[in-house]
Formats: sequence, structure tokens, C-alpha cells
Amino acid sequence: QKEVEQNSGPLSVPEGAIASLNCTYSDRGSQSFFWYRQYSGKSPELIMSIYSNGDKEDGRFTAQLNKASQYVSLLIRDSQPSDSATYLCAVKEEYSSYKLIFGSGTRLLVRP
Amino acid sequence: DGGITQSPKYLFRKEGQNVTLSCEQNLNHDAMYWYRQDPGQGLRLIYYSQIVNDFQKGDIAEGYSVSREKKESFPLTVTSAQKNPTAFYLCASSVRGGYGYTFGSGTRLTVV
Repeated sequence: QKEVEQNSGPLSVPEGAIASLNCTYSDRGSQSFFWYRQYSGKSPELIMSIYSNGDKEDGRFTAQLNKASQYVSLLIRDSQPSDSATYLCAVKEEYSSYKLIFGSGTRLLVRP
Repeated sequence: DGGITQSPKYLFRKEGQNVTLSCEQNLNHDAMYWYRQDPGQGLRLIYYSQIVNDFQKGDIAEGYSVSREKKESFPLTVTSAQKNPTAFYLCASSVRGGYGYTFGSGTRLTVV
């Protein structure tokens, strides 16, 4: 069974700090990785995708990928209370054109 | 605007009753998916479809059925065989290559 593992949290950080969210995956051949944000009672929203080793930056968000170590991370700089949500890591199966495997999510709390 | 529409937003099911959740997309996406989310847990795949008139079971298909007669529509029926159907149901779609999913707003199903 292919797995995506995340610490459930909550991860609590003060406003303005950097929040670091981590994810590990078991499918060594996976090539596509995604971070979704889910507010309580709402549906997930895609915030970052990454396909190559290294860093990818988009505004306050940076996704980091290390395929050799099979982990992907999300950094949120200058965290705001509005960033408080559950962050889901998703990995595309190696031999599937479509299927994503989701982690159970990390709950982030940003304290004002 | 393009997107995915799920209806109804809230649904109540009596014991022994079948209910159908609607999912319609106008994004011209090939693939569509149904996920179930229980409180504090990640997304579990129920069924997915890559093309019209074809669909595959996911990890928790027992007690559910689907159809894909049109590219735009992928309804999910929760049958009486599903003994614990209370959950948040999410429909999603994607283009070929699985470059991230777009989610609908979800249907919250409760057994009464």
C-alpha cells in the first residue's frame, strides 16, 4: 500500500514566523507532488505543485522536494492567522496518469 | 466561470435508503474522482473515472456505486449496503497527467 505520511499537529506558530510542514512518501517512482490547503468545513484548495528536486517559490509559500530522501515540505513565511488551516500533501502514483494519494494533513495554527 | 458543482450541500439519509450525490464540471476535464473524508482524517478514494463509460474502484468502494455517462457528470450513489455513510464527500476532476485536482465544495451526508 503506497503511503503519504504527515504529522497531524497541530503546529502552532506566532504571527510573522515561518511555518514548516513536512511530508514523506513511500512510492519511490513518484514524480508529481502537491500541497492543498483546507479550511475547516471547506474543500481542499491547491496552493503549490512541485515536480523537480529543489525549491519552488510562490509568494509567501515555498515547496521543497528531495526525491532521494522521499520527502516534500512546505514553508510559509510571514505566517498570518488566515493561514490557519489543515495542509494536505498529495503525491501522484508513478504508473497512474491521474491518481493522487493524500496524506491525512497537518493542522496549522497561527497565533496573533 | 469554470468549476465543479456538487449538490446538495447537506444530505440526510434514513436507514436502508439509497441516496445520490451530484457532481458536475464544466472544466472539460477527462478524469473525475470521489473521495470521502471523516473527521480528523485524510481523503480516501471511493471511485474514479478517466473517460466516459469507464470507472475504477478506489480503496473504499464497497457500498457505493457510480456512473459516467457524460464527460461533465459523475454521480455517486451511497447504497444501503454502506453501513457507516456519515462523512464529507468530495468530488474532484483533473486533466490528463494529473496536474493537481480541482475540488467541488463537498456534500455533507448524515444518517438519521
